[in-house]
Amino acid sequence: GENVEQHPSTLSVQEGDSAVIKCTYSDSASNYFPWYKQELGKGPQLIIDIRSNVGEKKDQRIAVTLNKTAKHFSLHITETQPEDSAVYFCAARSSGNTPLVFGKGTRLSVIA
Amino acid sequence: GAVVSQHPSWVICKSGTSVKIECRSLDFQATTMFWYRQFPKQSLMLMATSNEGSKATYEQGVEKDKFLINHASLTLSTLTVTSAHPEDSSFYICSARGEGTQRYEQYFGPGTRLTVT
Repeated sequence: GENVEQHPSTLSVQEGDSAVIKCTYSDSASNYFPWYKQELGKGPQLIIDIRSNVGEKKDQRIAVTLNKTAKHFSLHITETQPEDSAVYFCAARSSGNTPLVFGKGTRLSVIA
Repeated sequence: GAVVSQHPSWVICKSGTSVKIECRSLDFQATTMFWYRQFPKQSLMLMATSNEGSKATYEQGVEKDKFLINHASLTLSTLTVTSAHPEDSSFYICSARGEGTQRYEQYFGPGTRLTVT
């Protein structure tokens, strides 16, 4: 089955700097890669996703890149703000009605 | 759009009692719903997948007789923790996925914190 690895587990950046979180997956049939932000005591919130037919997607300060050959995808947050502080999870899913497989999460701290 | 609600947001119960958690998709029809469990500072652990009108598919190691899942309609799924024990204390999160243009995205509820005393 699918296995998703996520790095780093914790990340601290100064306000205004960029943050990058990387994930790798094992199943070459995976075709959907979402990223979730989870704040303390709340459920995960979908912030951006990418499908296997594109290599990059951007939404304001957030971007995701996908390298299908290397089977890895990354989340890029630019101009970080204190409210970006949270735990971020990557996930992957292969075709069909299979559930998402999550990475272990990255705790991002943006220092003002 | 794509809002998923959960009720209650938190619950405290005594050992041996049962607790029901509701998950609703408010603005779309959820053909598939997922139930996750999350321990502090850990990732989400999938417990089961349910399709509307069908029996849930449980992940290995999850007791189906203890965690009863019902997905009777396209907007509602329930998780009942039966004969709860303190080790069942956790953060339970549901997630829903629809059809058509929403067949890829999976949206999460706000979670339910269960404490068993």
